[in-house]
Amino acid sequence: SQQGEEDPQALSIQEGENATMNCSYKTSINNLQWYRQNSGRGLVHLILIRSNEREKHSGRLRVTLDTSKKSSSLLITASRAADTASYFCATDADQGGKLIFGQGTELSVKP
Amino acid sequence: EPEVTQTPSHQVTQMGQEVILRCVPISNHLYFYWYRQILGQKVEFLVSFYNNEISEKSEIFDDQFSVERPDGSNFTLKIRSTKLEDSAMYFCASSSTGVLEAFFGQGTRLTVV
Repeated sequence: SQQGEEDPQALSIQEGENATMNCSYKTSINNLQWYRQNSGRGLVHLILIRSNEREKHSGRLRVTLDTSKKSSSLLITASRAADTASYFCATDADQGGKLIFGQGTELSVKP
Repeated sequence: EPEVTQTPSHQVTQMGQEVILRCVPISNHLYFYWYRQILGQKVEFLVSFYNNEISEKSEIFDDQFSVERPDGSNFTLKIRSTKLEDSAMYFCASSSTGVLEAFFGQGTRLTVV
């Protein structure tokens, strides 16, 4: 897989359920970020986890990072219809901040 | 809350024409970026800019592309002679340090006809 590959590509769940999205990458990183994109709109930064961190929480979001497996997961708990969007992980490996994005997971939360 | 703003939101141009996409980064940020997203595809890095010069660019960013920070607040992307395959959403982003989160604008949808 390429740097920053997410799976699944699409996920459909019912409101109230939890949604888990995974991301794998190939090279060593400084940090990993998750972004959200509503259809045709801009990228909204959700959470950043540094390479020396293993888990981070922000509201209903929980991110884990396993640098030995070069993978991360994003968990959205108690999902809402408004969470429907595409979710991307992005890694950076240098000091200049260049981000490499994955293909994204398209999440659909049905009311 | 500070935000990155991009104009225009949508631009339609004839093939071969020059376009300038404009961005106003967050005011105290020092690192600036352009990315693009072809419809249905992943977001791709184009160029990063720091200290008034390009710090890194991708192979997409060929001689047809240029960036400028003309007045200390705006950050522009120019495409000299647009091609059909330049049709995409172009995102500007800025970051305070280059190793923390980047904040993205809403994007400019460029359509080349």
